[in-house]
Amino acid sequence: KNEVEQSPQNLTAQEGEFITINCSYSVGISALHWLQQHPGGGIVSLFMLSSGKKKHGRLIATINIQEKHSSLHITASHPRDSAVYICAVKTRDDKIIFGKGTRLHILP
Amino acid sequence: DTEVTQTPKHLVMGMTNKKSLKCEQHMGHRAMYWYKQKAKKPPELMFVYSYEKLSINESVPSRFSPECPNSSLLNLHLHALQPEDSALYLCASSQVPPELGANYGYTFGSGTRLTVV
Repeated sequence: KNEVEQSPQNLTAQEGEFITINCSYSVGISALHWLQQHPGGGIVSLFMLSSGKKKHGRLIATINIQEKHSSLHITASHPRDSAVYICAVKTRDDKIIFGKGTRLHILP
Repeated sequence: DTEVTQTPKHLVMGMTNKKSLKCEQHMGHRAMYWYKQKAKKPPELMFVYSYEKLSINESVPSRFSPECPNSSLLNLHLHALQPEDSALYLCASSQVPPELGANYGYTFGSGTRLTVV
């Protein structure tokens, strides 16, 4: 079993839909990251969380430390949101463990 | 300047070649990272430099040799690579440790796509 599990692996939705991507982890962490990777490579760091909730534009990220679970929400989704979304946790010994990613495709 | 710049963007090299990948940032970040990413897989950590000293080496073969000549620059020297080393190589930087109050803990470069023939 991977130490960081994401669901779903693939998600196709219509423009405007509310999107939720989930991440569960089984190790002790100091922080959790949500990353966005577009085709061709570049990675953008969206959020770093250690507790609670953060919002940036149409993106919202939450984390529940007791349940070892985080969610990334996208409101009013748009085709330009199509990308791979990766959950990554920073362990207490400073290693980063990545989830396998969620491939999101927003249809116009 | 809020970017991590990686050069070259694409590189094709033979198995007997020696080449180097370069990563540069001017954000004052004192931790820099090399990752390797194969198609449709998450990135795998290779090396971490903290204050210009190698702090993590994830059992990477010696044909990959990292170098951090100063706080803004990180190199990855490549020698006698194998075709299975073909991948996207990503560089990232962060503060040491990443500030928990900030939204953006890590800044990633756009990567060097390496093909070994």
